[in-house]
Amino acid sequence: KQEVTQIPAALSVPEGENLVLNCSFTDSAIYNLQWFRQDPGKGLTSLLLIQSSQREQTSGRLNASLDKSSGRSTLYIAASQPGDSATYLCAVRPNDYKLSFGAGTTVTVRA
Amino acid sequence: EPEVTQTPSHQVTQMGQEVILRCVPISNHLYFYWYRQILGQKVEFLVSFYNNEISEKSEIFDDQFSVERPDGSNFTLKIRSTKLEDSAMYFCASSRTGVWSPLHFGNGTRLTVT
Repeated sequence: KQEVTQIPAALSVPEGENLVLNCSFTDSAIYNLQWFRQDPGKGLTSLLLIQSSQREQTSGRLNASLDKSSGRSTLYIAASQPGDSATYLCAVRPNDYKLSFGAGTTVTVRA
Repeated sequence: EPEVTQTPSHQVTQMGQEVILRCVPISNHLYFYWYRQILGQKVEFLVSFYNNEISEKSEIFDDQFSVERPDGSNFTLKIRSTKLEDSAMYFCASSRTGVWSPLHFGNGTRLTVT
């Protein structure tokens, strides 16, 4: 059974600092990995999708890397802003139909 | 940008009652999903739906749950006889194709069973 772990569970940084969020998974047989943002009481906003054949994906200040063989992904957020405060979830896709989620990292960016 | 919409945003029901949660997926998407998140826990998969039938379901999705696509735009989750432990945030999601496309989630329905 696929297990997804996100460390740390919470992170507080001053504005302007770069964020590094980690995700690990136990089974490297995945199709892809998706990073989401979740604001309190809200839905999940898709940030980046990395296919298993890719090493990284970038969107604006966000960069996600994937090392499938070691079961790891890292989400980098450059020059953090207070608006980046949220919970960030990673999810792996081990088969056609379902995502397996981590518990998330809750980020607070202090102004 | 197209989005997945869910109604209602919050539903309160009594134990044993039936509830229907509604979703309008993104219009050109072919795969539909329900996930749920119990407070303080991980988001967990319930069911996927493609080509008018269930393609996969989790062990949570027992006989008390059912899904339907009653017309070309809506996708519903029915819980036949709610239990206290069904209290959670229920998320609908859709994707354009199967495995290679990202999932897009709605804002969720918070279900409270009293």
